[in-house]
Amino acid sequence: AQSVSQHNHHVILSEAASLELGCNYSYGGTVNLFWYVQYPGQHLQLLLKYFSGDPLVKGIKGFEAEFIKSKFSFNLRKPSVQWSDTAEYFCASSGFQKLVFGTGTRLLVSP
Amino acid sequence: GAVVSQHPSRVICKSGTSVKIECRSLDFQATTMFWYRQFPKKSLMLMATSNEGSKATYEQGVEKDKFLINHASLTLSTLTVTSAHPEDSSFYICSARITDTEAFFGQGTRLTVV
Repeated sequence: AQSVSQHNHHVILSEAASLELGCNYSYGGTVNLFWYVQYPGQHLQLLLKYFSGDPLVKGIKGFEAEFIKSKFSFNLRKPSVQWSDTAEYFCASSGFQKLVFGTGTRLLVSP
Repeated sequence: GAVVSQHPSRVICKSGTSVKIECRSLDFQATTMFWYRQFPKKSLMLMATSNEGSKATYEQGVEKDKFLINHASLTLSTLTVTSAHPEDSSFYICSARITDTEAFFGQGTRLTVV
């Protein structure tokens, strides 16, 4: 069955700290992977996506993620977070048509 | 990116009544739309996949007679919560996909059943 797990439920960082959010997926076939962000009071927005090619994917706002097939992982990274990155982050995978989400990670960046 | 509009954004209804939530793709045609439910401090749970012109496909554990989905056109899908109960109170989100690689989400609907 298709599933996504995110290991960190809550993360608190100071501004300028580096960020890495874990994401592991399970799916037997070809998989597309996504990171979505939900800022307070706003709807889900796509940060980045991977479906083939270079396993290091760069997204908006300085975020990147690396697809490691051997580890079934797609971790999200940012070298230096800002207060405005405070939000909830969801990893998702897409197998046959369905988009399945992880439980989400709530990130709080203190100024 | 493409725009998906969901209406209403908030609704309060009495227990036992039905509530309809609309999901529209504003600048593209969506043959497939998805309905999610988001619980507090939890992830988005896929409820059903809505296909234009055919019956929706429900995920295991989702009552299809309670959560009626209609996808009558390429730009509109509706979710009707029938005979609502307080435990149906939640945040409902729709999404539409243009390709296999990206989905666009509506703003969500906060349903409160009193």
